[in-house]
Amino acid sequence: EAQVTQNPRYLITVTGKKLTVTCSQNMNHEYMSWYRQDPGLGLRQIYYSMNVEVTDKGDVPEGYKVSRKEKRNFPLILESPSPNQTSLYFCASSLSPAGGYNEQFFGPGTRLTVL
Amino acid sequence: KQEVTQIPAALSVPEGENLVLNCSFTDSAIYNLQWFRQDPGKGLTSLLLIQSSQREQTSGRLNASLDKSSGRSTLYIAASQPGDSATYLCAVRGWAGGSYIPTFGRGTSLIVHP
Repeated sequence: EAQVTQNPRYLITVTGKKLTVTCSQNMNHEYMSWYRQDPGLGLRQIYYSMNVEVTDKGDVPEGYKVSRKEKRNFPLILESPSPNQTSLYFCASSLSPAGGYNEQFFGPGTRLTVL
Repeated sequence: KQEVTQIPAALSVPEGENLVLNCSFTDSAIYNLQWFRQDPGKGLTSLLLIQSSQREQTSGRLNASLDKSSGRSTLYIAASQPGDSATYLCAVRGWAGGSYIPTFGRGTSLIVHP
């Protein structure tokens, strides 16, 4: 089954404790991205990757890191989480960033709480 | 910078009504527009994708239209059911400001009551 998976689905942590949220897709997609969703602010893109070893900042990259060492995986790293990073996080992928046929597929989400 | 607006923000209707949800965008240079459904606390499920060269797409009781020149899309839901209750999001993708960042609307929260 074609899908985007994220782990963990729920995470409660404390300020300053480094964490990684994993994302994996099995569709051989080139383009992957991370979003955060907050009430009243909608979905905002954090980072995106056009292909292996190619990443770039989205609208709200501060406090986050990403890496793309393999095509299927795109982990999101919070090196020193803070309470304002409490949010619902989504990973998404599409075949490529451009082109009219490129449908975005979303993971199930990771609800992160930073105390 | 691309901006996407969805109207109305919330909608509550009785079962059986035909509905129209609106999405407008400011930059018409888009590759495509995608409609999603999101249940509370859940992920986004893709409903319909309209390429910039297309005028509409249909899937079951859903029909989405695109008027790129006027920067508008509508999602039509026929014979609404309680199971349609969810938030509906539209997103446009294009090359804007040197990046491919997709832009989402804030969504329309729909409640269909029996």
